Amino acid sequence: DQQVKQNSPSLSVQEGRISILNCDYTNSMFDYFLWYKKYPAEGPTFLISISSIKDKNEDGRFTVFLNKSAKHLSLHIVPSQPGDSAVYFCAASGEYGNKLVFGAGTILRVKS
Amino acid sequence: GAGVSQSPSNKVTEKGKDVELRCDPISGHTALYWYRQSLGQGLEFLIYFQGNSAPDKSGLPSDRFSAERTGGSVSTLTIQRTQQEDSAVYLCASSLWDSTYQETQYFGPGTRLLVL
Repeated sequence: DQQVKQNSPSLSVQEGRISILNCDYTNSMFDYFLWYKKYPAEGPTFLISISSIKDKNEDGRFTVFLNKSAKHLSLHIVPSQPGDSAVYFCAASGEYGNKLVFGAGTILRVKS
Repeated sequence: GAGVSQSPSNKVTEKGKDVELRCDPISGHTALYWYRQSLGQGLEFLIYFQGNSAPDKSGLPSDRFSAERTGGSVSTLTIQRTQQEDSAVYLCASSLWDSTYQETQYFGPGTRLLVL
């Protein structure tokens, strides 16, 4: 049972435009959500997180939006840069303590 | 300061052999996690340590897998009698303990295990 789903395996965006990565979850007990970026042959790098008591968190070019009623979150990257090209993972915690439950990832390609 | 480090970075072994994977967490981080990513799959949780204790081992796939942590720091994941399906990237993460569970885990570069 996939409790965290990233339904888009890949996304291609032009440099300077907005990238929107989506994530859906099924477990209403999740209360903390994180986005990680992963380059090939490296470990995931933490990007941004959001608590379920908020609906938006912003850090520079990265903004995460949370819609609890829809069990949906999204990561916005504005403006997108070629260096943003990577695999982006959505993760959630709360139901099982500290354990993170990950989505399958979305490959983002930013074209220059 | 230094991030999470893992060794070896790559390991090739023959089916049936035992392997040990090592993780050095960020200094001061009391919580340590092991995950793995099989080819074409997402990251799956294996085991979690708080200090030297492992309150959650629910993700270990079989009794061939074990892990320990000593001195509240270094952790070793051991796979006995390796099978080809054990081939994966094994990732370690650490975090400061937060009783609200809303903590950020920081990952190491991983160990790429290939079982022939």
